[in-house]
Amino acid sequence: GAGVSQSPRYKVAKRGQDVALRCDPISGHVSLFWYQQALGQGPEFLTYFQNEAQLDKSGLPSDRFFAERPEGSVSTLKIQRTQQEDSAVYLCASSLALAGAGANVLTFGAGSRLTVL
Amino acid sequence: SQQGEEDPQALSIQEGENATMNCSYKTSINNLQWYRQNSGRGLVHLILIRSNEREKHSGRLRVTLDTSKKSSSLLITASRAADTASYFCATALSGGYQKVTFGTGTKLQVIP
Repeated sequence: GAGVSQSPRYKVAKRGQDVALRCDPISGHVSLFWYQQALGQGPEFLTYFQNEAQLDKSGLPSDRFFAERPEGSVSTLKIQRTQQEDSAVYLCASSLALAGAGANVLTFGAGSRLTVL
Repeated sequence: SQQGEEDPQALSIQEGENATMNCSYKTSINNLQWYRQNSGRGLVHLILIRSNEREKHSGRLRVTLDTSKKSSSLLITASRAADTASYFCATALSGGYQKVTFGTGTKLQVIP
């Protein structure tokens, strides 16, 4: 597609509910990143995929957070048993670059704003 | 945790003035990038400078990098109201897959 597409744009969940956030990266982009952005803060790294392989998940805040990219294109970030502190904007970004083959210039989606009540 | 810290946190200037934002980071990097974020939107890549470069220009943007001080600056010349946004530096760490981590951001307001 022309850009990175994320859905839903807005999600309101009751505490304890599970949510799934989808990212559709630019076609052919190898690298995919997920970030969490709290209000007024910079994006915090969550996890990185190279094709279908999750090479780094060091930023996932707890085992309630799970991400996958089974066919190396669309990715889903799942949050189980949501808590109020999970409220944030979740940003997905993709890049053409392979690891070590050049700079990771990221193209971002518009984000999914999650509000946990 | 954030790799970079921007300074100032907020900046308000008149249209036509220059805006300078600074970024300091902690570890050795492969490259440093600057991104802009308009309210409620995703981030947009502005410019990239590699660790072996000292200065780079793109239109009204000028970026400098001092690896000995682990710092970078972004200068926007002749600012416009449309430049109002948050600006983030992002560093790609040396080695590995070049994990990109972001700073805390500078919120720029350009008053018409």
